[in-house]
Amino acid sequence: QITLKESGPALVKPTQTLTLTCSFSGFSLSTSEVGVGWVRQPPGKALEWLAVIYWNDDKRYSPSLRSRLTITKDTSNSQVVLTMTNMDPVDTATYYCAHRHAAAPGPGALDYWGQGILVTVSS
Amino acid sequence: DIQLTQSPSFLSASLGDRVTITCRASQGLNRYLAWYQQKPGKAPNLLIYAASTLQSGVPSRFSGSGSGTEFTLTISSLQPEDFATYYCQRVDSYPLTFGGGTKLDIK
Repeated sequence: QITLKESGPALVKPTQTLTLTCSFSGFSLSTSEVGVGWVRQPPGKALEWLAVIYWNDDKRYSPSLRSRLTITKDTSNSQVVLTMTNMDPVDTATYYCAHRHAAAPGPGALDYWGQGILVTVSS
Repeated sequence: DIQLTQSPSFLSASLGDRVTITCRASQGLNRYLAWYQQKPGKAPNLLIYAASTLQSGVPSRFSGSGSGTEFTLTISSLQPEDFATYYCQRVDSYPLTFGGGTKLDIK
């Protein structure tokens, strides 16, 4: 059974760096074709894809946020960490991590999701 | 970057209705498109991948079709639990963009 759960601060101040951790079980990021991605959703708005990391340490980022994002994996602890620098109130959103569907063609379909974590950016 | 445009943005329908949601891509995606359902306060749920493949556990009243730049999600007979927001996502290459969403509510 695959599960994922996001953790991190609920509140950050403008200009601070956000660090979110995705802790997962039921799969290993050392297994071929496995990937974990991050998606966010501002209140009342649409989903926005942020980043993904794969079993081979290949990393991809949203072009609009690339300069502010870093994604890393800790395979032994079954975690993926996303950092976002220079946080702004417009970054207020629910942040989700999700498992890449291994059987789906292409890099992106996400079949298991965490519950999400609401991060508010405010002074 | 490829843009995904969903239509309509809002849709009101009745129980038992057949509804169709369209996702148009600014460039061809072959069949690399996924559909998700999201209910308020919950994470998205994968319904369809590869344009028409039903994800395990998803009711058969959901179906997907299309290729290239135009895709559709169809619900054959609306059930109470289907009232939600639906998103398409390109899954061919990066960035893995989502559409703007279609909110389906009860008429």
